[in-house]
Amino acid sequence: GESVGLHLPTLSVQEGDNSIINCAYSNSASDYFIWYKQESGKGPQFIIDIRSNMDKRQGQRVTVLLNKTVKHLSLQIAATQPGDSAVYFCAENRIQGAQKLVFGQGTRLTINP
Amino acid sequence: GAVVSQHPSWVICKSGTSVKIECRSLDFQATTMFWYRQFPKQSLMLMATSNEGSKATYEQGVEKDKFLINHASLTLSTLTVTSAHPEDSSFYICSAGPRRAANYGYTFGSGTRLTVV
Repeated sequence: GESVGLHLPTLSVQEGDNSIINCAYSNSASDYFIWYKQESGKGPQFIIDIRSNMDKRQGQRVTVLLNKTVKHLSLQIAATQPGDSAVYFCAENRIQGAQKLVFGQGTRLTINP
Repeated sequence: GAVVSQHPSWVICKSGTSVKIECRSLDFQATTMFWYRQFPKQSLMLMATSNEGSKATYEQGVEKDKFLINHASLTLSTLTVTSAHPEDSSFYICSAGPRRAANYGYTFGSGTRLTVV
């Protein structure tokens, strides 16, 4: 099956600080990207998305940046809160052949009080 | 908003038995559903794409005879893990979509924790 990477990298930040989570995607033809948050034992929760014709999109406390040249996505979370502790995944919508959503490696974010 | 219901949320079964997991789209019609598997501390791995009324498309390395997928209606897809073994123990997650809606309409179920003993 398709996925990228094994064993989640981790990121720890102090409550109130900003965090940046990075992701490399693999398919230059992917037209749409999504960041998901996953808490233990639950399914992925949509955070923010971006289409390939954009390089930045902002939501509430979150910003996604897309660099198509190097196939890189980042998720910035401002003023982190304890509830932000979770695993964060990027996903790319592949359109070559049958359309499908493929997940990146994921990062475990821990917010320290 | 779009809701996908997955059932059961957890199941324990004996080696050699089969387990069926259901994925339902509650308030929309899902022509396509996706099944993922997630091992501890790993990412979601796409297993197969399920299209209503046709055979599922399996990802490379996924045994189609072991993971039977049925998508007989626009609101229900099922994944049956046949002759389960301990190595099949995992978190299975379904997703319905894409749709012409916000975030392409990839809506995820809450997952099923399968433990084979």
